[in-house]
Amino acid sequence: QKEVEQDPGPLSVPEGAIVSLNCTYSNSAFQYFMWYRQYSRKGPELLMYTYSSGNKEDGRFTAQVDKSSKYISLFIRDSQPSDSATYLCAMLRGYSSASKIIFGSGTRLSIRP
Amino acid sequence: GAGVSQSPRYKVAKRGQDVALRCDPISGHVSLFWYQQALGQGPEFLTYFQNEAQLDKSGLPSDRFFAERPEGSVSTLKIQRTQQEDSAVYLCASSLGRDGYTFGSGTRLTVV
Repeated sequence: QKEVEQDPGPLSVPEGAIVSLNCTYSNSAFQYFMWYRQYSRKGPELLMYTYSSGNKEDGRFTAQVDKSSKYISLFIRDSQPSDSATYLCAMLRGYSSASKIIFGSGTRLSIRP
Repeated sequence: GAGVSQSPRYKVAKRGQDVALRCDPISGHVSLFWYQQALGQGPEFLTYFQNEAQLDKSGLPSDRFFAERPEGSVSTLKIQRTQQEDSAVYLCASSLGRDGYTFGSGTRLTVV
């Protein structure tokens, strides 16, 4: 069993819809939770990170962490065609310069104009 | 430079050939990571450098994989006697401590 599980999609929604992306994890040692966006033929870019349980909002994006359920979510409001990409959840055991990121397999998202 | 630069962007190798992939991190970034991303999968950790010291190579899949960063800046990932299962995108990321990781665009390796 993988440490981080993510539905690969693909997920296709109309422009303006609210998108919900989710991951589950098995290792309770994870403390930092991140979402990366990866466009085709590009490297991942950090969208948001949160520490421990709770919500964090940044513009149209909201990240939620529920450590008791080992479940994290990313919500995208007012989705745009430019949001079409692969979204990777990622986790760290500790946020030091030596911490290696554990990624989910990614969810492919397509926003239809 | 402004970002992490990787070269070549694409590499086609015949099975059994040796390849070398280069990563030029952001100037001054102490930490450097290599990841392997298979088609349709998330990146998987290969190895980590702090300056010139390779502190973690637990993700290297076999002894055919070798990485170095001799002067603490540019890093090279070398794969000897390439196999078809080595076909993947190889991503490099650099970090200045707690500032987060910046990834390069990767090298897409195809072994035929």
